[in-house]
Amino acid sequence: DSGVTQTPKHLITATGQRVTLRCSPRSGDLSVYWYQQSLDQGLQFLIQYYNGEERAKGNILERFSAQQFPDLHSELNLSSLELGDSALYFCASSVAGGPLETQYFGPGTRLLVL
Amino acid sequence: EDKVVQSPLSLVVHEGDTVTLNCSYEVTNFRSLLWYKQEKKAPTFLFMLTSSGIEKKSGRLSSILDKKELFSILNITATQTGDSAVYLCAVSQGGGADGLTFGKGTHLIIQP
Repeated sequence: DSGVTQTPKHLITATGQRVTLRCSPRSGDLSVYWYQQSLDQGLQFLIQYYNGEERAKGNILERFSAQQFPDLHSELNLSSLELGDSALYFCASSVAGGPLETQYFGPGTRLLVL
Repeated sequence: EDKVVQSPLSLVVHEGDTVTLNCSYEVTNFRSLLWYKQEKKAPTFLFMLTSSGIEKKSGRLSSILDKKELFSILNITATQTGDSAVYLCAVSQGGGADGLTFGKGTHLIIQP
């Protein structure tokens, strides 16, 4: 158990809908990362937050957005969902978000868009 | 374009065998290379490598980095069925690109 928690574990929804995924980092970690894992693309970095501020953006679609709250938990919002958004969404955390820090991954949320 | 390439994509061996997994990379502002093990769900951290030629070891697993040739290997000796998993290689970069760039993984199956 990495100490990173994510809810929900599974989510099934329809195309066009909007969902929110939630992540709580390990105790003491200030930085949160979101990743998407699909069969064809592998694990891809979406976005990083550090202490409430956006720090880095990866391959995140405009339909997706995220935020980190004062208590350091983070939410990833996915809107206008398409079939291709079906994937595992992971949150990871690290102490201060630097490139020489280990990122610890949560158990993931499996999203199925029908 | 930054890329991380793992080989082989899939590997089936018998319990007790030794395996070597490969990871090569071409990225800008390389800072570190990480290995993760992914079973059912979350990738779990194995090693972080930052310096060439220094072996990191944990039990039957070991890894080394070659920053001149831009690759790393992960060795597992005396494999056990519990080693069956997808092994992911990832690279971290500086210059504001703090997300990890992952390879597609090596799916390792250990047969009894």
